Amino acid sequence: NAGVTQTPKFQVLKTGQSMTLQCAQDMNHEYMSWYRQDPGMGLRLIHYSVGAGITDQGEVPNGYNVSRSTTEDFPLRLLSAAPSQTSVYFCASSLGQGPYEQYFGPGTRLTVT
Amino acid sequence: EDQVTQSPEALRLQEGESSSLNCSYTVSGLRGLFWYRQDPGKGPEFLFTLYSAGEEKEKERLKATLTKKESFLHITAPKPEDSATYLCAVQPGASGGSYIPTFGRGTSLIVHP
Repeated sequence: NAGVTQTPKFQVLKTGQSMTLQCAQDMNHEYMSWYRQDPGMGLRLIHYSVGAGITDQGEVPNGYNVSRSTTEDFPLRLLSAAPSQTSVYFCASSLGQGPYEQYFGPGTRLTVT
Repeated sequence: EDQVTQSPEALRLQEGESSSLNCSYTVSGLRGLFWYRQDPGKGPEFLFTLYSAGEEKEKERLKATLTKKESFLHITAPKPEDSATYLCAVQPGASGGSYIPTFGRGTSLIVHP
């Protein structure tokens, strides 16, 4: 099993550009989520999904969109990148909403100039 | 609002010098408290889940304990390979709310040989 995979590993964007961060898991997990991690702050939840076709907002959803058309994939879209979105992004999955441990991907380091 | 406070922010130990990391929390009905380990440049890796006060779990040199207000991660005779950031997260019981977990900012542990 590959677990949770994320692409790309690194990305540099200019302000106003859009892009999609990819996330996939091969563990047949129902619950998937996106976090951002900034220096001196804990992981903050952006969006999450409890199953295919169902998504909801987390703590910091502004500027991001998600969709979940399959159990395996949960892409995160940045609509119009801003410097404030410079961060490390982690995708995670778990069996369900819990309390189950989450399995995290390796992260995407995004810089917006 | 759920809150998680981890202390200390950073801890330096000599190899073999035992110590404890603290995670204080306030949450509406605890469903689970999680400990994760995060190595630089990688995603968090699950260590333990604790469900109720009085519970303890062990793994190699690590032992996690839980009370109604805090959790401790005890590290016995640490080795340099235990150097990492340790994250604590709580998942609420969702009495009218959600099951979204809240993460602390982490404790950065360095173990010197």
